[in-house]
Amino acid sequence: QKEVEQDPGPLSVPEGAIVSLNCTYSNSAFQYFMWYRQYSRKGPELLMYTYSSGNKEDGRFTAQVDKSSKYISLFIRDSQPSDSATYLCAMSQGLIQGAQKLVFGQGTRLTINP
Amino acid sequence: ETGVTQSPTHLIKTRGQQVTLRCSSQSGHNTVSWYQQALGQGPQFIFQYYREEENGRGNFPPRFSGLQFPNYSSELNVNALELDDSALYLCASSSGLAPETQYFGPGTRLLVL
Repeated sequence: QKEVEQDPGPLSVPEGAIVSLNCTYSNSAFQYFMWYRQYSRKGPELLMYTYSSGNKEDGRFTAQVDKSSKYISLFIRDSQPSDSATYLCAMSQGLIQGAQKLVFGQGTRLTINP
Repeated sequence: ETGVTQSPTHLIKTRGQQVTLRCSSQSGHNTVSWYQQALGQGPQFIFQYYREEENGRGNFPPRFSGLQFPNYSSELNVNALELDDSALYLCASSSGLAPETQYFGPGTRLLVL
């Protein structure tokens, strides 16, 4: 079983729709939760970061963490064609033996249709 | 502010060869992490360097090695290349060891034939 599970999609929605992306995880020691966006042939770009449980909002993006269910979500409101990308969830326990290691999900490929 | 850069952008090698990939960290960053991203997968942690010392390693064999230089740039070396080493290799830099501040470069795409 992978430490982090993410539905690879692909997910295709019309412009303006609300998008929900999710990840589940098995390691209860994870404390830091990130969402990255990766355009084709580019490196991942940090979108959202949350420490422990709770919600965080930034413009059209909302990240939610439910540690009791080991489940995190990213919501995109008023989705735009420019949001079309692969979205990666990532998690970390913090420093382990001196290093910070991000554990990624497989990524969900999202297409927003005009 | 200069972002993370990597070179080369892509290269092709044959099985058994050796390869060196390079990364220049973002200005002011002293920590560099390397990840391997196979096609259709999320990145996997290879190792991390902090102030020129390796301070953590993922589940990769010893033929994956690295260096960090006094200017905090870094190299990833892979010996005895295997077909499964074909992937996008990503470098991420950060200031200190806070997990949320890793900034990724564009990656080097390696194809092993």
